[in-house]
Amino acid sequence: RKEVEQDPGPFNVPEGATVAFNCTYSNSASQSFFWYRQDCRKEPKLLMSVYSSGNEDGRFTAQLNRASQYISLLIRDSKLSDSATYLCVVTRNSGNTPLVFGKGTRLSVIA
Amino acid sequence: SQTIHQWPATLVQPVGSPLSLECTVEGTSNPNLYWYRQAAGRGLQLLFYSVGIGQISSEVPQNLSASRPQDRQFILSSKKLLLSDSGFYLCAWVAGGRSNEQFFGPGTRLTVL
Repeated sequence: RKEVEQDPGPFNVPEGATVAFNCTYSNSASQSFFWYRQDCRKEPKLLMSVYSSGNEDGRFTAQLNRASQYISLLIRDSKLSDSATYLCVVTRNSGNTPLVFGKGTRLSVIA
Repeated sequence: SQTIHQWPATLVQPVGSPLSLECTVEGTSNPNLYWYRQAAGRGLQLLFYSVGIGQISSEVPQNLSASRPQDRQFILSSKKLLLSDSGFYLCAWVAGGRSNEQFFGPGTRLTVL
């Protein structure tokens, strides 16, 4: 089983749609979780950290289910500028350890 | 505020030539530093990480090496490039402490011909 698995997509959605991305991770010792966004031919940028209680930042909502080792990202009211690849990221173990990146889910928001 | 620099931005090198990519971080001290490679259509692969000067951990055996001669400088090198070394090389840093949030430099796009 891969350390971090994501549906590669692409997800093609119209402007204004709500889209959800899912991610599973294999290491139960992972302690920190993130979503990154990567535009074409650019570096990944931190979108948001994911907390056990769930967290929201504007149109973006992240959820973590430790029991199922599952992370989600919900984007409401999609904008054209949301088109990018979304990377699910977890720490390998506890503490300040290297991150493990999923291969990403590609989103295209269409006018 | 903290910034991370990488150079060069793009590089085209022949097979068998040497490589040196540099990464520097400003505005922080004693960061953890990372080198990743992203091959075309693939995910990020961790190559090396460093928790301090002269301390290097290698993730994947290959013909690449890394060095950290100064606190905020991380260098990726190769003596002889292979075609398979082509990719997008990204340096990242973490402030240390309890946070694991990594921040990436703009990357170097390497093409080996």
